[in-house]
Amino acid sequence: EVQLQQSGPEVGRPGSSVKISCKASGYTFTDYVMNWVKQSPGQGLEWIGWIDPEYGSTDYAEKFKKKATLTADTSSNTAYIQLSSLTSEDTATYFCARALMDAWGQGASVTVSS
Amino acid sequence: DIQMTQSPASLSASLEEIVTITCKASQGIDDYLSWYQQKPGKSPQLLIYDATSLADGVPSRFSGSRSGTQYSLKISRPQVDDSGIYYCLQSYSTPNTFGAGTKLELK
Repeated sequence: EVQLQQSGPEVGRPGSSVKISCKASGYTFTDYVMNWVKQSPGQGLEWIGWIDPEYGSTDYAEKFKKKATLTADTSSNTAYIQLSSLTSEDTATYFCARALMDAWGQGASVTVSS
Repeated sequence: DIQMTQSPASLSASLEEIVTITCKASQGIDDYLSWYQQKPGKSPQLLIYDATSLADGVPSRFSGSRSGTQYSLKISRPQVDDSGIYYCLQSYSTPNTFGAGTKLELK
C-alpha cells in the first residue's frame, strides 16, 4: 500500500523557516516525482512544485520560487519542503502528493505567529 | 499559465439527481485532467484521471467526460457520503493548476 506520512504541525515566527517532511512507503521512491500543494485556511488547492527524487530536478510555480525549496533523500525515501522568510500568508496546510496525485500525505499545518 | 474555470461554486442536490461539475480549460490540455474529492480536514482523494479513467476503488457512479476544452465530472445517484468539495486539476503543463472547487451538499 502506497503511504505518504508527513511530519507534524509547525509553528514559525515571521521571518523564520520551517521544514516539512514526507516519508514514502509502499513503492519505489525514485520512480515517481513528488508534488507539493498548499491549502490556505478555507481556501482551495495551489500547486507549489515537484521534485524528481532520482535526479533531484525540480520545477516550481513562479510565486513559490523564492518561498519554497524542495529536496529529497533517497536513503530514507523522504521528500522535504522548506519554507523561508515566513509571513502570515504562509499559514496553511501543505500536502505532498505522488506523481499524478494518486496518493497524498495527510497534510502538515504551518502556522506563522509571533 | 493554464486557467481552469470550475463551476458551479456550490450546489445542493438530492440523492435521486445526476450531479454535474464542469471545468473549462483556457487552452487544450490533451485530457491531462483529473478530479478530486476533499472532505473537511482530510487530504484530497483521486476520483478520475486522464479525463475519463476511474481511479482504483472509486464507485462507478462517478464518471468523467470532455467536450472541447470543457471537462465534466458526473455523479449518478449520489450518496450522502459524496458530500464534500470537488476540484479539477490540469497536469498538461506546469504550473499545474486546480479549479477553484465545487462544494457539494446532498439533501
